[in-house]
Amino acid sequence: AQSVAQPEDQVNVAEGNPLTVKCTYSVSGNPYLFWYVQYPNRGLQFLLKYITGDNLVKGSYGFEAEFNKSQTSFHLKKPSALVSDSALYFCAVRDNTDSWGKLQFGAGTQVVVTP
Amino acid sequence: DTGVSQNPRHKITKRGQNVTFRCDPISEHNRLYWYRQTLGQGPEFLTYFQNEAQLEKSRLLSDRFSAERPKGSFSTLEIQRTEQGDSAMYLCASSPTGQGWNEQFFGPGTRLTVL
Repeated sequence: AQSVAQPEDQVNVAEGNPLTVKCTYSVSGNPYLFWYVQYPNRGLQFLLKYITGDNLVKGSYGFEAEFNKSQTSFHLKKPSALVSDSALYFCAVRDNTDSWGKLQFGAGTQVVVTP
Repeated sequence: DTGVSQNPRHKITKRGQNVTFRCDPISEHNRLYWYRQTLGQGPEFLTYFQNEAQLEKSRLLSDRFSAERPKGSFSTLEIQRTEQGDSAMYLCASSPTGQGWNEQFFGPGTRLTVL
């Protein structure tokens, strides 16, 4: 069985400061890891993914994430947060032994960036 | 717009009524997924289609729920005899066949309220 934990319900950060959103996972096989962002009344937008290779993955809007196999983590980061980054962020995992590709999502982390 | 579209965007119904939602995936995407998202939670997998074949159903999908993708293009999700517990956002996503690590592209969702 696969699972995802996002330990923080909300992250508050001042504009211009670094932003980190935490995610840990559990899968039977090797993980495929994803980050999505959700703005109010809108669907989920893909930010980035880790499949294999370099542990640091770069994605859209200046976001990046670091895969750490020993800690089973995939934290999302942005060096300098913008007010427009305020949104709900979801980490998701897919077990590479799952033939159909369904995603297991975390509960989400609300990011609030203050001016 | 060539993204995933869902209709209606909002549906309010009375308990016991039947409702049907439609999803139009990105053209030529063979894989189609339905998820359900309740307040404060991440999306939960409901069912998966590859072309017109429904290949996996979650235990969340009770016998009151039925999904179809008759020609391998658009999909419908029907809920019969709705209950208040069915109130949620229903999300549709699509992805191309091929590599299992392809990200899923989400529609804006249909928000169902059962009174």
